[in-house]
Amino acid sequence: DAKTTQPPSMDCAEGRAANLPCNHSTISGNEYVYWYRQIHSQGPQYIIHGLKNNETNEMASLIITEDRKSSTLILPHATLRDTAVYYCIVRPDSNYQLIWGAGTKLIIKP
Amino acid sequence: GAGVSQTPSNKVTEKGKYVELRCDPISGHTALYWYRQSLGQGPEFLIYFQGTGAADDSGLPNDRFFAVRPEGSVSTLKIQRTERGDSAVYLCASSLRVLNEQFFGPGTRLTVL
Repeated sequence: DAKTTQPPSMDCAEGRAANLPCNHSTISGNEYVYWYRQIHSQGPQYIIHGLKNNETNEMASLIITEDRKSSTLILPHATLRDTAVYYCIVRPDSNYQLIWGAGTKLIIKP
Repeated sequence: GAGVSQTPSNKVTEKGKYVELRCDPISGHTALYWYRQSLGQGPEFLIYFQGTGAADDSGLPNDRFFAVRPEGSVSTLKIQRTERGDSAVYLCASSLRVLNEQFFGPGTRLTVL
């Protein structure tokens, strides 16, 4: 079973920051938080991952709370092409398996 | 560079037939994974290869499903005696090493009539 909880859907206006929450209250110390997204009819796309510290790359920022029980993926300037299902996944550092939940369907509106 | 590719993109077959789905991973990636995704759900793990060997096939639903990776690069997922319940999108992913981030192909949509 997935170890994360995400809202089923969210809307965001184009050009604004999209903030996608994820709860992982049972996360263990050696487990990473991964984010993937899946645009309609495409394969999942890796976005970012982190362990304790906040992370940023060219696609997004990942903010992990100090207790690591939740995180937020931030798309700083959402575009229509960011409309997708976003998956938050917790994965132990010693296990390759990604256990997927239902994700958050993010709709970017013009 | 080239990403993970999968062929065919769509496959329609009849119940009871045999199908093969192909995956070309990113060059140099040693780990390869197969997943299955039903409508409205996240991907479900099927099998993982490290090099040529299947290191974990615990996700294969039954013995009708089999996968190979004979030269440690291209992989083929084989399904015998297909059933309507096998209809899904079959996704392949690869990673440089086993615990690195996985990069996915576009998937093969299998429809069993």
